[in-house]
Amino acid sequence: EDQVTQSPEALRLQEGESSSLNCSYTVSGLRGLFWYRQDPGKGPEFLFTLYSAGEEKEKERLKATLTKKESFLHITAPKPEDSATYLCAVPLGDYKLSFGAGTTVTVRA
Amino acid sequence: KAGVTQTPRYLIKTRGQQVTLSCSPISGHRSVSWYQQTPGQGLQFLFEYFSETQRNKGNFPGRFSGRQFSNSRSEMNVSTLELGDSALYLCASSPGTSYGYTFGSGTRLTVV
Repeated sequence: EDQVTQSPEALRLQEGESSSLNCSYTVSGLRGLFWYRQDPGKGPEFLFTLYSAGEEKEKERLKATLTKKESFLHITAPKPEDSATYLCAVPLGDYKLSFGAGTTVTVRA
Repeated sequence: KAGVTQTPRYLIKTRGQQVTLSCSPISGHRSVSWYQQTPGQGLQFLFEYFSETQRNKGNFPGRFSGRQFSNSRSEMNVSTLELGDSALYLCASSPGTSYGYTFGSGTRLTVV
């Protein structure tokens, strides 16, 4: 069964303490993997799209990588403003995204 | 440029009533998708429209319906509301040729 699993559910970090979030997927014929950031009470904000194993994308303190079975979102030297829920998603079927449950990151000053 | 606009932002309805939510996509975007987000189920796909045609539908009861107008604006309707329909309803738009969806801020529906 196609599915997307994110771990951990929650991550509490000290400012400057780097860490990684995991998104594993069981999808045949991956047509891309998407990372979003969601702040409380708001819609998801697009971060990255990855299409093939070995691909990496970076944006400020965030770096996303992709393998054949999973993707990682690395947060380097996080700041309190990086606190949010990070969601990954893969296309399942036509014009439909399947989302993981998300990882809620809290960065303390 | 303007993002995806959803109205209203908040809504309180009574069980058994019906509700209509509205979404205006980014100018030039022809694909509009709707998702339901709840603490227990996360983000669940409802349906997707492109040029007024529904191209895909999620596993939701027939009480959930939608449509898209010629200007790409979309509405979704939920009839005979149940308590479990309380959720954040998110609309997302894209040019239609990729999955690079941009989401709106959502409509928070509370059913009492």
